[in-house]
Amino acid sequence: AQSVTQPDIHITVSEGASLELRCNYSYGATPYLFWYVQSPGQGLQLLLKYFSGDTLVQGIKGFEAEFKRSQSSFNLRKPSVHWSDAAEYFCAVGAHGGSQGNLIFGKGTKLSVKP
Amino acid sequence: GAGVSQSPSNKVTEKGKDVELRCDPISGHTALYWYRQSLGQGLEFLIYFQGNSAPDKSGLPSDRFSAERTGGSVSTLTIQRTQQEDSAVYLCASSLSGGSFYNEQFFGPGTRLTVL
Repeated sequence: AQSVTQPDIHITVSEGASLELRCNYSYGATPYLFWYVQSPGQGLQLLLKYFSGDTLVQGIKGFEAEFKRSQSSFNLRKPSVHWSDAAEYFCAVGAHGGSQGNLIFGKGTKLSVKP
Repeated sequence: GAGVSQSPSNKVTEKGKDVELRCDPISGHTALYWYRQSLGQGLEFLIYFQGNSAPDKSGLPSDRFSAERTGGSVSTLTIQRTQQEDSAVYLCASSLSGGSFYNEQFFGPGTRLTVL
């Protein structure tokens, strides 16, 4: 069965430091992969997605993610974190046989930013 | 334009009561999804509507959960005889059309349900 694992429940980084949030997926074929961000009291916002092609994808707010098939990973990165990046981040994969388009989410990583 | 809206934003109910949660999708979006976000559990898919087609109910956790979508627009998620384990944030999302991951899902702010 498809699944998404985000190993880190909570990460704290200093403002200006680099960030990497880990995501591992389980899926037999080439997956459709997504990263969403959820700020307090807000709905989820799509940061970026990978379907095919270039394995390094750029998203909004200065985020990027790299698809590594050999590691079944799709880690999210940002070179310099801003205080406004404090939020919860969710990795998701498109559900297999999900012609309807529903997503399978990881449990999320909460990011705190120290001044 | 307006995004996905959900009401109420918070709902506190007593165990055994029925609750209704409402979702207004983005105008023109034919696909509508409900997800549940439980503490420490991430988001779980509940149900999917596409236009006037029969919904995909494969994610509903029990027969106490039901949903309808009137006129291909507004959707209501109903939970009957609520249990404490139903406490969660219920998120609604809509997309231009279903059937493809190429259509971005836009999420509402959610309804936080607390069952006492």
